[in-house]
Amino acid sequence: NAGVTQTPKFQVLKTGQSMTLQCAQDMNHNSMYWYRQDPGMGLRLIYYSASEGTTDKGEVPNGYNVSRLNKREFSLRLESAAPSQTSVYFCASSIGGLAHNEQFFGPGTRLTVL
Amino acid sequence: GENVEQHPSTLSVQEGDSAVIKCTYSDSASNYFPWYKQELGKRPQLIIDIRSNVGEKKDQRIAVTLNKTAKHFSLHITETQPEDSAVYFCAATSGNTPLVFGKGTRLSVIA
Repeated sequence: NAGVTQTPKFQVLKTGQSMTLQCAQDMNHNSMYWYRQDPGMGLRLIYYSASEGTTDKGEVPNGYNVSRLNKREFSLRLESAAPSQTSVYFCASSIGGLAHNEQFFGPGTRLTVL
Repeated sequence: GENVEQHPSTLSVQEGDSAVIKCTYSDSASNYFPWYKQELGKRPQLIIDIRSNVGEKKDQRIAVTLNKTAKHFSLHITETQPEDSAVYFCAATSGNTPLVFGKGTRLSVIA
């Protein structure tokens, strides 16, 4: 039981490049989330998927797109990376519904955009 | 939407002393309040949570209190130990929308 896994662990991009961050969970959870963490800013929600087949914007969605590929996988895409997207990205999942349930986080992806 | 304010942003205590972190929220409909701990270089992990029908909850050395009238909740850590050093995040939700996190408190326990 690996929990929530993310790839890659580290990535360096040049401005304008694109990339996809991958996330998978093996806990049969319904809800999945993407956060970014910047110093002094806490955890800010980018996008979430309350259930397979649905996605919604969070607090800071600009510059990102997501795909809920199936119940296990939720990917985050940066189409044209900008230095402001330099951050640590966490994927999380919870058993069902948006709230009242523990969120389990992945190990994070540290992204630097030059 | 919900807004969660967390104070202080940094906190240093002597080993064995108590630490208190406070959060306020804006949405009176919020009814679930978890606390997450993030050690350096690690992922956030849930340490305790409280629901609106409860005023206080304890788990060994940690406790959370909730004042719905004042719209604030607090994390209390007693007999602090070096392994309590971490960043702590509070969060709130009404249940119909995702969790909203505070900006975090960096706790340092000095031996």
